[in-house]
Amino acid sequence: GQQVMQIPQYQHVQEGEDFTTYCNSSTTLSNIQWYKQRPGGHPVFLIQLVKSGEVKKQKRLTFQFGEAKKNSSLHITATQTTDVGTYFCAGTSGSARQLTFGSGTQLTVLP
Amino acid sequence: DAGVIQSPRHEVTEMGQEVTLRCKPISGHDYLFWYRQTMMRGLELLIYFNNNVPIDDSGMPEDRFSAKMPNASFSTLKIQPSEPRDSAVYFCASSKQGKVEKLFFGSGTQLSVL
Repeated sequence: GQQVMQIPQYQHVQEGEDFTTYCNSSTTLSNIQWYKQRPGGHPVFLIQLVKSGEVKKQKRLTFQFGEAKKNSSLHITATQTTDVGTYFCAGTSGSARQLTFGSGTQLTVLP
Repeated sequence: DAGVIQSPRHEVTEMGQEVTLRCKPISGHDYLFWYRQTMMRGLELLIYFNNNVPIDDSGMPEDRFSAKMPNASFSTLKIQPSEPRDSAVYFCASSKQGKVEKLFFGSGTQLSVL
């Protein structure tokens, strides 16, 4: 079945440093979504990418979808303590309706 | 909009007991998903419904797990009998009809089976 891997599993950064998490799928994805889960909270949708090579920005967050639609990345510029949480990618393949979630990257931002 | 509502928020039970988790999706959403989250296995899809009909239950661990959606505004996930390895956070999520829509998650139920 479809597998979605994320690296790194954990990342500690100093406030103000940049952060990137990478997502790789074993199969070509129809689309990819990114979610953020704060400690003790629930996943919250951030963005969806559909097109090959697509790049989207949300303030300090930049999301990319690979040309082959098998990988994606989330980059945060100048991290803040409010960025703390676990970031998940999630994708679908073919006609499947359900999302397969990656293992997540847990981000800690040190003040 | 109240969002996806799950109850209870926390459940502590003893091994062998029956556990029922409840979910009210967002009004107008046609899809409902049950996920389980653990440190070891991450977020796993257990089952999902479309218009109250179970579409894919291949993620349900075993016969001890069952899920129902008797109407558009209510779903249950039942574990009988519960085991310590079932301890996890169980999330319910809903989404609109569409090719692939974003998921709205509930606050989850933290289940501890002693």
